Amino acid sequence: DVQMTQSPSSVFASVGDTVTITCRASQGVRNYLAWYQEKPGKAPKLLIYSASSLLSGVPSRFSGSGSGTDFTLTISNLQPEDSATYYCQQANTFPYTFGQGTNLEIK
Amino acid sequence: EVQVVESGGGLVQPGGSLRLSCEVSGFTFSDFAMNWVRQAPGKGLKWVSLISGSGRSIYYADSVKGRFTISRDNSKNTLYLQMNSLRVEDTAVYYCAKDPHVGSWVGASDIWGQGTLVTVSS
Repeated sequence: DVQMTQSPSSVFASVGDTVTITCRASQGVRNYLAWYQEKPGKAPKLLIYSASSLLSGVPSRFSGSGSGTDFTLTISNLQPEDSATYYCQQANTFPYTFGQGTNLEIK
Repeated sequence: EVQVVESGGGLVQPGGSLRLSCEVSGFTFSDFAMNWVRQAPGKGLKWVSLISGSGRSIYYADSVKGRFTISRDNSKNTLYLQMNSLRVEDTAVYYCAKDPHVGSWVGASDIWGQGTLVTVSS
């Protein structure tokens, strides 16, 4: 299976900051990489698919980049509502696999 | 309005069976691949299975292969997950989720249900 490793595991930031979360695949996944936001008690929300395609309706403060094994999710101009856990997921090879999650707290 | 509603979760003993259902509305169901994704209490997300829009292509996580069966009835806009030989480690919230790509799939999930809790315990 393709192992997805996110870093950092948790991050603290302030309103207005820019945060970058990294996701590394144990083998190349081309651009078949998605990013999700999850809040407690809610279903995950897709932010980005195909590594850099922003889902319609998602604020442009969210952006994704990368290809192959190294990917990043960047959140600029952080807002209080961005406090959540973020997951990456590869969809190049079955079984699809998720990263372990990055907990973002807004100070 | 797009809606995805799971049902069928509950408490079951190890070795038992459950069938989850996921009824959708607001989009052409047969145009989209569908996924089941689960989340054990306090843990991260784990992909379980995918079925193509036609139902002809099916994939499973190794941990459920041979025990779970994904299927769909496009005439009823409903996705299913038949779960047999359940184990304690199958305890999780199970989500039904739609792929965003028409016709084929990109492997992401853009519309999720609220989830249904499956508890496997004696």
